Amino acid sequence: GQQVMQIPQYQHVQEGEDFTTYCNSSTTLSNIQWYKQRPGGHPVFLIQLVKSGEVKKQKRLTFQFGEAKKNSSLHITATQTTDVGTYFCAGLEYGNKLVFGAGTILRVKS
Amino acid sequence: NAGVTQTPKFRVLKTGQSMTLLCAQDMNHEYMYWYRQDPGMGLRLIHYSVGEGTTAKGEVPDGYNVSRLKKQNFLLGLESAAPSQTSVYFCASSRVRMTGVQDYGYTFGSGTRLTVV
Repeated sequence: GQQVMQIPQYQHVQEGEDFTTYCNSSTTLSNIQWYKQRPGGHPVFLIQLVKSGEVKKQKRLTFQFGEAKKNSSLHITATQTTDVGTYFCAGLEYGNKLVFGAGTILRVKS
Repeated sequence: NAGVTQTPKFRVLKTGQSMTLLCAQDMNHEYMYWYRQDPGMGLRLIHYSVGEGTTAKGEVPDGYNVSRLKKQNFLLGLESAAPSQTSVYFCASSRVRMTGVQDYGYTFGSGTRLTVV
């Protein structure tokens, strides 16, 4: 079945530094979604990417979907303490349900 | 608009006991899901439902049963709890995917933290 791998597992950055997490799928995806989970909270939907090579921005967050629709990345510019949490990617196979990556835990030191 | 509500929020069970986790959504979503979250393993799908009266197995269904008698409710049952079922359980819902509509994000409940001793 489909597998979604996410790296790194953990990242600790100084406030103001950039952060990137990467997501790779073993199969082609119809779309990919990103979620954020604050410590002790529940996952919250951030964005969905559908088109090959698509790039979307939300303020300091930039999301990319690979040309082959098998990988994706989330980049945060100039991290802030409010960015702490776990970022999950989730891939949707054609006609199937979401499969989540293991997540990247982001810690920001002020 | 409450979104997705899960009850209870916390529970401690003894091995062999049974319990039911309740999930209710008020967004008229067709699809509902139960996930478990364990450290380092992300979210794993237990069971899901694509509509009232229908259920299907996910990635890790063993030891769990579900029912969707009403569109707004999705119940997860543990018939005989085991320590391996200690986890945080999340319910989620989503609407039907339609061509050209971008937002198919899942709405998650706040979770149930279950400990089996």
